[in-house]
Order: sequence, then C-alpha cells, then structure tokens
Amino acid sequence: ETGVTQSPTHLIKTRGQQVTLRCSSQSGHNTVSWYQQALGQGPQFIFQYYREEENGRGNFPPRFSGLQFPNYSSELNVNALELDDSALYLCASSSLSGRAYNEQFFGPGTRLTVL
Amino acid sequence: QKEVEQDPGPLSVPEGAIVSLNCTYSNSAFQYFMWYRQYSRKGPELLMYTYSSGNKEDGRFTAQVDKSSKYISLFIRDSQPSDSATYLCAMSARYSSASKIIFGSGTRLSIRP
Repeated sequence: ETGVTQSPTHLIKTRGQQVTLRCSSQSGHNTVSWYQQALGQGPQFIFQYYREEENGRGNFPPRFSGLQFPNYSSELNVNALELDDSALYLCASSSLSGRAYNEQFFGPGTRLTVL
Repeated sequence: QKEVEQDPGPLSVPEGAIVSLNCTYSNSAFQYFMWYRQYSRKGPELLMYTYSSGNKEDGRFTAQVDKSSKYISLFIRDSQPSDSATYLCAMSARYSSASKIIFGSGTRLSIRP
C-alpha cells in the first residue's frame, strides 16, 4: 500500500509569485484535505476535496485554491504569495465511507519559504 | 481565545517516566478527540482517537476525555527515547466528511536516556 506523497519537498518563492503544491492520496482514498502548519504551531485546515469538488473550507482567503483529479490526487495553488504564507503544507487523505470515523493519513509535507 | 489550547513545552523527562500531556478546549460541539505524534520533518501520525467522554488505552498510551471540564489528556507509560516528538491534540465536531480538524499548537517532548 502506497502512503500519501507530496511534491516538492522544499520550495522557495518571492512575494507576489504563485505556487502549486501536489499531493497523491493513499491507495483507495477518495478525499484529500490540505493544512497549513506555521513554525511552532499546529496544522490549520485550509480545505477539503471529495470527488473533485471542494467539500469544506477553513478561514483562508480565495487566493488559496485547489483541485482534485479523477485519480484523487490533488493540487494546492496559492496566488500573490505573502511572507506569512511561509509554512509546512500538509496533505491528508481519507476515505469517506459513511462510517462515523474516517482517519486522515498525512503526507510528509512541502516546506514553502516566501522571501 | 483559541478553540484549543495546548502547552507548547518543551517537556523533558527521563526514560521510564510517566508523561502527561494536556489540552483544553472551548467548543462544546467537539465530539471526536485525537492525539497525533509528529516527528521532525514528518507529517503527523494518528496515535489515538476517542469519541465523546471516557478513557481509551492502547499499549503504553492512555487517552482521557472529560467533556464536562473541556479537558483532554494523553498519558505515556514507560516512556522511551523514541517517544521524543511533538504531540498534537486535535478535535472535531464530527469526523466524517467535511469535518475540519482543529489542532492544538503541539507539545514538544524529549525523553532523556
């Protein structure tokens, strides 16, 4: 079974630029959630995708957007980068199956630095 | 005020000690309570989850939830150097579809050999 993978591992951008981060979900999972983890903080929920549709969003501006593809992989796009966007971006996959509990499996993250 | 409060530590204890990690929360709608462990340069991994109030034990780990006090705890018995990591408490109002997980800021734990 292949776990959640993310690319790239590290990324350095400058203010105002745009960035795309990628996530491959675990085999058999149909849901992807994205989180932002600033240094010394816990992850903060950005949004979730289920069957290629946004299925919930946290308190992040519209310049944070995403996509999910038919194979359930996902992209996180951030436009007009700001210094405060520097963080570890985590992707988590899960499988919605009607059960009350669905464990989210996290990838290793992409470390984004905005200069 | 944050929805979930967690002491950031760092917490340093000798090998073999019992470790107690705690979080408080303010949202009465939370029903699912989780503890994640995060090693340096890795994503969080789920250690335990509990639904509503009560205790849950898994090996050396025990999770407790007291909804009346809005207080959750994780106990680690016979702590090992390999337990050194950041521990994140997390909560959700429902844990199915678009339920967002609210994390604490994490407690950095170091187990001294």
